[in-house]
Amino acid sequence: SQQGEEDPQALSIQEGENATMNCSYKTSINNLQWYRQNSGRGLVHLILIRSNEREKHSGRLRVTLDTSKKSSSLLITASRAADTASYFCATTTSGTYKYIFGTGTRLKVLA
Amino acid sequence: DTAVSQTPKYLVTQMGNDKSIKCEQNLGHDTMYWYKQDSKKFLKIMFSYNNKELIINETVPNRFSPKSPDKAHLNLHINSLELGDSAVYFCASTIGDEQYFGPGTRLTVT
Repeated sequence: SQQGEEDPQALSIQEGENATMNCSYKTSINNLQWYRQNSGRGLVHLILIRSNEREKHSGRLRVTLDTSKKSSSLLITASRAADTASYFCATTTSGTYKYIFGTGTRLKVLA
Repeated sequence: DTAVSQTPKYLVTQMGNDKSIKCEQNLGHDTMYWYKQDSKKFLKIMFSYNNKELIINETVPNRFSPKSPDKAHLNLHINSLELGDSAVYFCASTIGDEQYFGPGTRLTVT
C-alpha cells in the first residue's frame, strides 16, 4: 500500500500542552501537507512544506520535514480544546496530480 | 459561499441499488477528486478529473463511474451497491497544491 503511516494513532493531552504527531511516507515527494478533519466534516488544509524545506511555521503550528528519513512531524503548541480533531499528512509527487494521505492521528485536547 | 458542496449529505440505500452523488465547486479550480474514507478513517483517492478529462483512475470497481459535465462539477454514480461501499465519500478540488474538500456524503448500504 502507498498509504503513509502516522503515529501515534491517537493522542490525548491537556489543554495548554503541546501535541506532536509524526508522518512517514514511502516515495520521493514534491511536497507534504497537513490537514485537519473535525468530526463529521471535510478535511481542511493547514500547512504545506516543500521537499527542499526543513521547517515551516504557521501560527501555533510547526512542521518539520526530513526527506532522508521520509518523515515529517507536526507540532501544535499551547493546544486548545478546539484543536480536537484528526490530523492527516498528505504527499504529492512531482508530475502527478495524486495525493497520498496518511492514516491519521486522532487528537483529543481535554479542557 | 460554500466552496465545495456535495449532495446528498446522507444516503441510505439497499444492496443492489444504483445511486449518484453530486459535487460542485465555485472556486474556479481545474482539478477535482473523489475520495473514499472508510470506517478506520483511511482516505483513498478514487478518481480525478482535470478540466473534464479523467487523469486518475485508481483500482476502483467499474461499478463506480465518475462524470464531469464541466470543470465545476464532478459526479459519482455507483451501480449495484454492495455492503462494502458503505463509507464517507469526499469530493475535493485543487489549484496549485492545496486541496479543498467538500463536507462529505455518508453512504450506508443495508
